[in-house]
Amino acid sequence: LAKTTQPISMDSYEGQEVNITCSHNNIATNDYITWYQQFPSQGPRFIIQGYKTKVTNEVASLFIPADRKSSTLSLPRVSLSDTAVYYCLVGAYGQNFVFGPGTRLSVLP
Amino acid sequence: EAGVAQSPRYKIIEKRQSVAFWCNPISGHATLYWYQQILGQGPKLLIQFQNNGVVDDSQLPKDRFSAERLKGVDSTLKIQPAKLEDSAVYLCASSLREGPFPLYEQYFGPGTRLTVT
Repeated sequence: LAKTTQPISMDSYEGQEVNITCSHNNIATNDYITWYQQFPSQGPRFIIQGYKTKVTNEVASLFIPADRKSSTLSLPRVSLSDTAVYYCLVGAYGQNFVFGPGTRLSVLP
Repeated sequence: EAGVAQSPRYKIIEKRQSVAFWCNPISGHATLYWYQQILGQGPKLLIQFQNNGVVDDSQLPKDRFSAERLKGVDSTLKIQPAKLEDSAVYLCASSLREGPFPLYEQYFGPGTRLTVT
């Protein structure tokens, strides 16, 4: 059961790039790394997923080093609407995967 | 495409009473998950179904919680009897594909906020 560690909170300004790092030292071979975003009173929403190296989609990039013991979610040019809690999730299908406490990102004008 | 539906949205009960939550996943999604999210914490997986079979329920407090997914579509989660510490948001999620790898994208419903007094 991979445990994840993330910063509890981060502040940023509009237009800046934000990088949120997640540590997962006991990641298993079959585990994938997934990031979710959650706004108040809503369920989490999928952002991006990866296994190794770099993955990019229209909203974010995910950087995973060769040892896979950490990962970094990169949000380019954040806006006020990116203020939310971001969760790093490590696991594979059929396992009891765990969401950590998440990182509360506050984007300031 | 319609999202994951959950009902009720809010529920207030007294301790030792029973309560049930309903979830309708996105059409065609084989995998369904129930989570418990306590205020200020990340979601905790309670049970995972693939079609109408249980994939993992290791974190489900089976002395008081039960869940079923009849016909591999809708699902219900029941708590009987409820305790004060069960106050939380109960989230249902579904994903399109089946296992084994990877952990496919989950689509979450809005959740049911349960308050136990």
